[in-house]
Amino acid sequence: GAVVSQHPSRVICKSGTSVKIECRSLDFQATTMFWYRQFPKQSLMLMATSNEGSKATYEQGVEKDKFLINHASLTLSTLTVTSAHPEDSSFYICSARDPGTSTDTQYFGPGTRLTVL
Amino acid sequence: AQSVTQLDSQVPVFEEAPVELRCNYSSSVSVYLFWYVQYPNQGLQLLLKYLSGSTLVKGINGFEAEFNKSQTSFHLRKPSVHISDTAEYFCAVTFTGGGNKLTFGTGTQLKVEL
Repeated sequence: GAVVSQHPSRVICKSGTSVKIECRSLDFQATTMFWYRQFPKQSLMLMATSNEGSKATYEQGVEKDKFLINHASLTLSTLTVTSAHPEDSSFYICSARDPGTSTDTQYFGPGTRLTVL
Repeated sequence: AQSVTQLDSQVPVFEEAPVELRCNYSSSVSVYLFWYVQYPNQGLQLLLKYLSGSTLVKGINGFEAEFNKSQTSFHLRKPSVHISDTAEYFCAVTFTGGGNKLTFGTGTQLKVEL
């Protein structure tokens, strides 16, 4: 099946710094990628939809100035957590929709564990 | 409103026993249905999906699920579980006109014991 990678797998940063997380589709071109946030022992919460070549669409309640999304190519989307604070600590997961396969199937990356001290 | 419900937050089962993880959805439009598995500190892996056609869907690792439109359910089953099946299982749905967004259930923790 389609492979999606994320980098880094885990990151620890100081409060007030910015962190960039990369999401790559390795064997297909993804015009649409999604960013999720998952709190411990909870389900995934969709943060935003990343569209190649256009602005991301954010879900209600997600601060777009806080979570910057860039989808500059068909295989790469980045999520930048700006001025991170301890409450931003979470597991961030991206997914990519493969238009070459069955409709609406999303393939997920392995996730990035962010810890803000 | 459209929603996905996984009633069981935890399901303990002995190894080699059968298991069923329940998923119900609520929608006034057509849906596509998915089951994903998440192992600790990892992303989600697609187990199986229902898009159309046969209502019985077979997936990886011996899992299968049956789409029941009248009961708006998509329960996941496995006839004989292994210790390695211990993980979190998420039912997810995309709704027609929803822009390919997945709506997830709250997850079911399957714990297989010896």
